[in-house]
Amino acid sequence: GQQLNQSPQSMFIQEGEDVSMNCTSSSIFNTWLWYKQDPGEGPVLLIALYKAGELTSNGRLTAQFGITRKDSFLNISASIPSDVGIYFCAGLGAGNNRKLIWGLGTSLAVNP
Amino acid sequence: DGGITQSPKYLFRKEGQNVTLSCEQNLNHDAMYWYRQDPGQGLRLIYYSQIVNDFQKGDIAEGYSVSREKKESFPLTVTSAQKNPTAFYLCASSLVTGPSYNEQFFGPGTRLTVL
Repeated sequence: GQQLNQSPQSMFIQEGEDVSMNCTSSSIFNTWLWYKQDPGEGPVLLIALYKAGELTSNGRLTAQFGITRKDSFLNISASIPSDVGIYFCAGLGAGNNRKLIWGLGTSLAVNP
Repeated sequence: DGGITQSPKYLFRKEGQNVTLSCEQNLNHDAMYWYRQDPGQGLRLIYYSQIVNDFQKGDIAEGYSVSREKKESFPLTVTSAQKNPTAFYLCASSLVTGPSYNEQFFGPGTRLTVL
């Protein structure tokens, strides 16, 4: 099936640093979702984006729906140890088949 | 509290046996989904259902079966026809209408190991 191009694949940063990751698609999406998954748990929805150009924050997290509708970005400011996990992007294109397209994830490690 | 429950958390089966994974939600969501996750991989859709008594195949439905007899429940059976069943299985649900209908909410997952 179709997949999103999510980068970077992994990141190792110092506590307090800012983090950026992004997802790109070859086709236009109407919805972008960002999830975080802790080891052995289900993904948790962080931010949902529905309009091109939309910028939405959730605490220290900020995500943007790219103006071309083919990409999205997630930024984490002032990282803390509990930010460790895998971050997934997911998108939904036109049509109503309800099938989200998923990125392969960005694994984040934070050094205290 | 509303949410999605999956049981059991860990499941072990012998090769050749069918096994059924449970998924229950009390969010009053119409749509439910089953995903498979392998190490270092993203989520792959197995089956989904938008309404009771109806479901559609996802990208990797071969070797799996589902039923949707109640709105709250969407069990997944991993049959002996599935060639590589050991994986982490995730159930999700969502609304089908409204401004947030694309947002899927996940259960804690079931890790299936076939010996």
